[in-house]
Formats: sequence, C-alpha cells, structure tokens
Amino acid sequence: DVKVTQSSRYLVKRTGEKVFLECVQDMDHENMFWYRQDPGLGLRLIYFSYDVKMKEKGDIPEGYSVSREKKERFSLILESASTNQTSMYLCASSSGGSRNTIYFGEGSWLTVV
Amino acid sequence: AQSVTQPDIHITVSEGASLELRCNYSYGATPYLFWYVQSPGQGLQLLLKYFSGDTLVQGIKGFEAEFKRSQSSFNLRKPSVHWSDAAEYFCAVLSGNTGKLIFGQGTTLQVKP
Repeated sequence: DVKVTQSSRYLVKRTGEKVFLECVQDMDHENMFWYRQDPGLGLRLIYFSYDVKMKEKGDIPEGYSVSREKKERFSLILESASTNQTSMYLCASSSGGSRNTIYFGEGSWLTVV
Repeated sequence: AQSVTQPDIHITVSEGASLELRCNYSYGATPYLFWYVQSPGQGLQLLLKYFSGDTLVQGIKGFEAEFKRSQSSFNLRKPSVHWSDAAEYFCAVLSGNTGKLIFGQGTTLQVKP
C-alpha cells in the first residue's frame, strides 16, 4: 500500500512563527501536493511538485512556500504564520502521468494563536 | 472553468437505508472522477474512481457510483448504510494533465441508529 506520512498531526504555533510541515511518501511518486481543508470550502490546492526541486503554485499559494530537495519529501513552509492559516493541511502524492490516483496523508492540524 | 459541486452539505439517513450523494462537475473534456471518504480527524481514503469504460463503477465498502455524461453527474450510492459510514465524502475531478484534483465542498453523512 502507498503510504504518505505527515510527521506532525497536531501543532500549535504563535503568530509570526516560521512553521514547517513535513510530508514523506514511500512509493517513489513523482507528484506531490499540499492541500488545505476548511469547513464549507472543501480542499484547496496550495502548491504541487512534479519532480525534485520543481514546484508550481496552486490556487491559494499566498503566505506559503514549499521545498522538495528529495523525491520522497515535500515540505510546506509558512514563513510567518497568521491566525487565518489555522487549518487542516493534507499532503498527497501520485505517480507521474495524468490518470493516476492521488493518495493522501492523515493530515496536520495547525492552530495559530 | 473546471468545478465540482456537491449540492448537499449535510445528509442524515437511518442505518440500513439506501444512500445517494450527489456530485455535479463542470469540465470540458472527458472527466476523470473520484470519490473520497474522510473519517473525523483522518486523511482521505479513495472509495472509487472513473477514468473510462463502464459508467457504473464499483468501489470499496459496498459503494458504487454512476457516471452520467448527459447530466454531468457522478453520484455515489450504497444500498444499505452502516453506522460506520458516517463521515465526510468528497467528489473530485482530475484537472487536465496536471495530476491536480479539484474538489467539491464535501457532504457530511450522519447515520441514525
């Protein structure tokens, strides 16, 4: 089975802190994604990556950046956390190509106070 | 623009009753469609997917979905709901060749004893 692991399930951070959310997949997938989930809004794509050191903006990239130094790891960075970034963050991965299933991690609950 | 609409935010059914969750999509080409389920505090689990071929797709946990191009719909069904089916359900369409998913807002299913 594909495994997408998000290292932190629950985090509480202060406004202005730099926050790192880590995601690792074990299936040698080319594609990795970061989504944000909020009630009534479903999941919205923040950033995605097709390959090491490559990144593309999703629908809501403002206030976020990403890093992909190794194929299996995709990090989401909040440079200066704000309270409106309190949310559930979901990492996902898929193999290359357009007709492939996307697999999700368990999610990271971030609260910014 | 590509989009997915789940008209029902919240549905309550009795255990043992049948279930249908609605999903409508807007997409110019042949859509690749997915249903995911999310239990409280968990990530998303794939229930089923449609890429091509038979328009009635079978999934895990006794779920099925029917693709109807004329109605731009991909409704999820289950003949007899179990209490463990209580969760949030997301319909999604794969966006072009990018591997990105566009999600609906989600439908929360409550199951009455």
